[in-house]
Amino acid sequence: DSGVTQTPKHLITATGQRVTLRCSPRSGDLSVYWYQQSLDQGLQFLIQYYNGEERAKGNILERFSAQQFPDLHSELNLSSLELGDSALYFCASSTNPRSSGNTIYFGEGSWLTVV
Amino acid sequence: DAKTTQPNSMESNEEEPVHLPCNHSTISGTDYIHWYRQLPSQGPEYVIHGLTSNVNNRMASLAIAEDRKSSTLILHRATLRDAAVYYCILRGPGGGADGLTFGKGTHLIIQP
Repeated sequence: DSGVTQTPKHLITATGQRVTLRCSPRSGDLSVYWYQQSLDQGLQFLIQYYNGEERAKGNILERFSAQQFPDLHSELNLSSLELGDSALYFCASSTNPRSSGNTIYFGEGSWLTVV
Repeated sequence: DAKTTQPNSMESNEEEPVHLPCNHSTISGTDYIHWYRQLPSQGPEYVIHGLTSNVNNRMASLAIAEDRKSSTLILHRATLRDAAVYYCILRGPGGGADGLTFGKGTHLIIQP
């Protein structure tokens, strides 16, 4: 158990809909990362937050957004869903993103299926 | 972050040592070498990391070449539970504000 909690574990929704994925980081971790893993793209970094502020952006679509709340939990919002958005979405957390030796801990992921 | 090269797949027998290679010829002096693994249907899991010296922990050992252009992850006695995709990742100065950049990794197959 990494200490990173993601909900829901599985989600099936229709095209055009909007979903919210939730992440609770490990106790004490200030940084949260979101990743997308699909069969053809591998693990892709989406976005990072540190103590409530956006820190870095990766390959995140404009239809997607995220935020980190004062209690440090984070939400990833996916809207106008398309079939190609079906993937496993991982949240990860770490203590100090400024350290190159810092370990990042991943949750078990949220399986999203768009039908 | 600098690029790494790993074999697509490797096969080993249970209870034997496994040496997973990684080439990173463009590594900079401040890049850390991280290894993560991903078991089927699970999130990536930290294995080990190092900068210059060889490192050991309860999961594995990391052997880093003297010129740092390559490294080897060593699983001393593989079990079926070690079957996973292993990723070798470099993290640059500042911790890599974009987290970890995953390549395709090495798919390790363990034969009973």
